[in-house]
Amino acid sequence: NAGVTQTPKFQVLKTGQSMTLQCAQDMNHNSMYWYRQDPGMGLRLIYYSASEGTTDKGEVPNGYNVSRLNKREFSLRLESAAPSQTSVYFCASKVHRVTDYEQYFGPGTRLTVT
Amino acid sequence: GQQLNQSPQSMFIQEGEDVSMNCTSSSIFNTWLWYKQEPGEGPVLLIALYKAGELTSNGRLTAQFGITRKDSFLNISASIPSDVGIYFCAGTNTGNQFYFGTGTSLTVIP
Repeated sequence: NAGVTQTPKFQVLKTGQSMTLQCAQDMNHNSMYWYRQDPGMGLRLIYYSASEGTTDKGEVPNGYNVSRLNKREFSLRLESAAPSQTSVYFCASKVHRVTDYEQYFGPGTRLTVT
Repeated sequence: GQQLNQSPQSMFIQEGEDVSMNCTSSSIFNTWLWYKQEPGEGPVLLIALYKAGELTSNGRLTAQFGITRKDSFLNISASIPSDVGIYFCAGTNTGNQFYFGTGTSLTVIP
């Protein structure tokens, strides 16, 4: 099992360009998440999908859109990148059980917007 | 949003020493979690705490859920070089919205 995979690993964008970050999991998890990690700020939730067909905003959703393509895949789109979106982006997944809180994280995508 | 503050921000310790770190929140959580992140990787769950006052161990790691439900503590005993990394606390009330702390960076000197 690969767990949670993310592509690309690194990306440099110019201000105003768009791109989609891809995430896939092979653990048959229902719930998937997108976080951003900035120095000194920990991880902040951008969007999550509790189950296939649903998406909800997290703490910092502005400037992003998401698509839960199927049970395995959850993508994050930046329509018009801004320097403030320079960050490391992590995707995570977990089972959708009230008593199960273990999230499995991917290796991250390092995005720089110039 | 919710703010979780961790202290200390960084620690430099000798191999074999014990480590203590804590996390405080402006809000109550009904579940606290502790993660470790190594360079270039995503966080990995170490311990989950579900009840105020609960003390839970995982090998050399022990974590406590504060009785006010606004704080949590992590201790590592007899540190070893592979303990190096950033330790994050996280809190949740819904099981979907997770709030992470600012992290404690641990360096172990052999």
